[in-house]
Amino acid sequence: GAGVSQSPSNKVTEKGKDVELRCDPISGHTALYWYRQSLGQGLEFLIYFQGNSAPDKSGLPSDRFSAERTGGSVSTLTIQRTQQEDSAVYLCASSLALRDRPSQETQYFGPGTRLLVL
Amino acid sequence: KQEVTQIPAALSVPEGENLVLNCSFTDSAIYNLQWFRQDPGKGLTSLLLIQSSQREQTSGRLNASLDKSSGRSTLYIAASQPGDSATYLCAVRPQGNQFYFGTGTSLTVIP
Repeated sequence: GAGVSQSPSNKVTEKGKDVELRCDPISGHTALYWYRQSLGQGLEFLIYFQGNSAPDKSGLPSDRFSAERTGGSVSTLTIQRTQQEDSAVYLCASSLALRDRPSQETQYFGPGTRLLVL
Repeated sequence: KQEVTQIPAALSVPEGENLVLNCSFTDSAIYNLQWFRQDPGKGLTSLLLIQSSQREQTSGRLNASLDKSSGRSTLYIAASQPGDSATYLCAVRPQGNQFYFGTGTSLTVIP
């Protein structure tokens, strides 16, 4: 079946511009995560959505970052007034995330969006 | 805050060799631990997930172990193949929503 998809695959923008990154999770997956992977660094958690619950935004690095998940499916990550340090690969993952069935906690990742801020 | 460390950062082995990748974490209060592989320019592929109540999981040539009390996990790869060349990441999930990732071990299997 279809996996997690992300668009665009690459994005080059100028410092100060806003960007929107899109994630289409696997159909039926209730949980959705956004991560950032900077060069030579581990994945950094950004935000978590689970069903209709309020998102866990504790990983967002500044108020320039925001994310939405419409209808419990597609998510967009928006970065306003981009800075050069925002350059990274932004990864999205989804999972069934049912705690009473832990085997379905497995996260499935998209290919990522490579963002370059000039 | 949970800290996840992976050693070594890079490893090069001849084809056919068995190898062990290490992951350590600072807070033993975890819900589960997951091993992933990441190929260059690609997203992550889940390999094995171990619940906190489990000690190991196996899939084909891969075996992952978990010693929660000592804050360690190992990923054992038997009879390595060139196609195993990738970066291997471990991630731990404490009781909250966040997963904490290590920086990975870059594996090269030489034909």
